Amino acid sequence: GQNIDQPTEMTATEGAIVQINCTYQTSGFNGLFWYQQHAGEAPTFLSYNVLDGLEEKGRFSSFLSRSKGYSYLLLKELQMKDSASYLCASMDSNYQLIWGAGTKLIIKP
Amino acid sequence: DVKVTQSSRYLVKRTGEKVFLECVQDMDHENMFWYRQDPGLGLRLIYFSYDVKMKEKGDIPEGYSVSREKKERFSLILESASTNQTSMYLCASKSGTGDSDEQFFGPGTRLTVL
Repeated sequence: GQNIDQPTEMTATEGAIVQINCTYQTSGFNGLFWYQQHAGEAPTFLSYNVLDGLEEKGRFSSFLSRSKGYSYLLLKELQMKDSASYLCASMDSNYQLIWGAGTKLIIKP
Repeated sequence: DVKVTQSSRYLVKRTGEKVFLECVQDMDHENMFWYRQDPGLGLRLIYFSYDVKMKEKGDIPEGYSVSREKKERFSLILESASTNQTSMYLCASKSGTGDSDEQFFGPGTRLTVL
């Protein structure tokens, strides 16, 4: 079956670094997406990885290991506005996204 | 900027009512999607459409139908609403067939069925 696992909730301190992990098992693989979703709002795109390695985009970076079925989202210099849910989604062989349940990130001052 | 709009942010309906959820995108995207989002579960695909008048079932199409008469508009229909269809409904659109093309989401409609 297809499955995406990520932690339900994480807490971090303002100014710190946090890593949100995601493991995936999908029928085929055409890339891994990360989205951010603030409470009551629409998900917004953060990153896409299809090759192994780290992609850096400002304070946010995303890593992929295809052999391990593993990705992480790294958030640096955390700000209060980063409090949100972070959704991991794997694109399967039919080019459909299989979504994880999301990780709620709580930032404390 | 891509804009995806949904007809209502909040909706309350009674069991057995027919419910229409409308979604409009303004960037000429070919692909449109309807998801539902429930606590503790990932987004689940109900239906999608890759062209006008074309529709494909997603993972949970039972109890739903869709209509895409115009490229910019994708409607989700609950023929006879039931309490287990109480959920957040998200519409999304995506251009082309590129693997890396992101989906753009609307603000969501929180539907409560009493």
